[in-house]
Amino acid sequence: AQSVTQPDIHITVSEGASLELRCNYSYGATPYLFWYVQSPGQGLQLLLKYFSGDTLVQGIKGFEAEFKRSQSSFNLRKPSVHWSDAAEYFCAVGHTNAGKSTFGDGTTLTVKP
Amino acid sequence: DTAVSQTPKYLVTQMGNDKSIKCEQNLGHDTMYWYKQDSKKFLKIMFSYNNKELIINETVPNRFSPKSPDKAHLNLHINSLELGDSAVYFCASNPGQGGRTEAFFGQGTRLTVV
Repeated sequence: AQSVTQPDIHITVSEGASLELRCNYSYGATPYLFWYVQSPGQGLQLLLKYFSGDTLVQGIKGFEAEFKRSQSSFNLRKPSVHWSDAAEYFCAVGHTNAGKSTFGDGTTLTVKP
Repeated sequence: DTAVSQTPKYLVTQMGNDKSIKCEQNLGHDTMYWYKQDSKKFLKIMFSYNNKELIINETVPNRFSPKSPDKAHLNLHINSLELGDSAVYFCASNPGQGGRTEAFFGQGTRLTVV
């Protein structure tokens, strides 16, 4: 069965430090992969997505993610975190024939001043 | 111009009551969803509609009944509310084949059952 694992429940980084949020997926075919961000009291917003092609994808707000098929991973990175990046981050894998996406359990990012 | 809008944003009600949450999208998308986010922020799909037809029902109790009067609207009616129904409910829409494209989410409805 398709699944998404975000191993880190909570991550704290200092403002200006680099960030990497981990995501591992289990899917039989080429996956459609997404990262979403949820700010407090808000809905989810797409940061970036991967379907095919270049395995390093750029997203909004300075985020990027790298698809590594050999490791079944799609980790999210940002070189320098801003206080406004504090939020919940969700990785998701799209089911091509089932009309839905499966979400990971999320990683809460706290940014220290 | 809100793309996916839900009403109400907050809903506090007593156990046993019946309540509805409304959702509208102005993106012209064919697919709409209801998700439930629990207190641990886990996000689970409940229902999916494509062009007014139910295509996903993820083992949700019969007390939950979605209704899609047209492809721009997907409402959620909940009968006999229970304490465990307290959560944030998100409506979302998707332009095409659900798994291949990203979802656009509403701001959520925080339901509190007391």
